[in-house]
Amino acid sequence: DVKVTQSSRYLVKRTGEKVFLECVQDMDHENMFWYRQDPGLGLRLIYFSYDVKMKEKGDIPEGYSVSREKKERFSLILESASTNQTSMYLCASSLGRAYNEQFFGPGTRLTVL
Amino acid sequence: GNSVTQMEGPVTLSEEAFLTISCTYTATGYPSLFWYVQYPGEGLQLLLKATKADDKGSNKGFEATYRKETTSFHLEKGSVQVSDSAVYFCALGGGYNNNDMRFGAGTRLTVKP
Repeated sequence: DVKVTQSSRYLVKRTGEKVFLECVQDMDHENMFWYRQDPGLGLRLIYFSYDVKMKEKGDIPEGYSVSREKKERFSLILESASTNQTSMYLCASSLGRAYNEQFFGPGTRLTVL
Repeated sequence: GNSVTQMEGPVTLSEEAFLTISCTYTATGYPSLFWYVQYPGEGLQLLLKATKADDKGSNKGFEATYRKETTSFHLEKGSVQVSDSAVYFCALGGGYNNNDMRFGAGTRLTVKP
C-alpha cells in the first residue's frame, strides 16, 4: 500500500514564525501536492511538484513556498505565518500517468495564534 | 475552467437507508472522476473512480456512474451503516496526468443507529 506520512498531526505556531510541514511518500511517485482544506471550500491546491526540484504554483500559493530536494519528500514552508493560514494541510502523491488517483497523508492541523 | 459541484450537507440518515450524494461537473475533454472519503481525524481515501463515460466505479457497497450526457457522477449506496459516517468529496481529474484535480466542497454524512 502507498503510504504518505506527514511530520505532525497538530501544530501550534505564533504569528510571524517560519513553519515547515514535511511530507514523505514511499511509493516512488513522481507527483506530490500540498492542499489546504477549509470548511465549505473543499481542498485548494497550494503547490505541486512533478519531479525533484520542480514545482508549479496551484490556486493559492501566496504566503507559501515549497521544496523538493528528494523524490520522496516534499516540504511546505510558511515564511511568516499569519492567522489566516490556520487550516488543515494535506499532502498527496500520485504516479505520473493518466487516470491515476492521488494518495493522501493524514493531514496536519495548523493553528497560528 | 474545470469545476465540481456537489450536494451541500450535512446529510443525516438512519441505518439501512438509501444514500445519494449528487455531484455534477464542468470540464473540457474527458476527465477522470473520483469519490474520496474522509473519516474523522484522517486524510482522504479513494473510495471509487471512473475514467470514461458510462464507467461505473464501485467499492464497499458504494457506486457511481460517469454520465457524460448529464455531466454527473452521483454517489449511491443501498443501505448505509453507522461506520459510513464521514465526509465525502467528489473530484475531477484534469491537466497533465491529473495534476489539476478539482474537489467539491464535501458532504458530511451522519448515519444514526
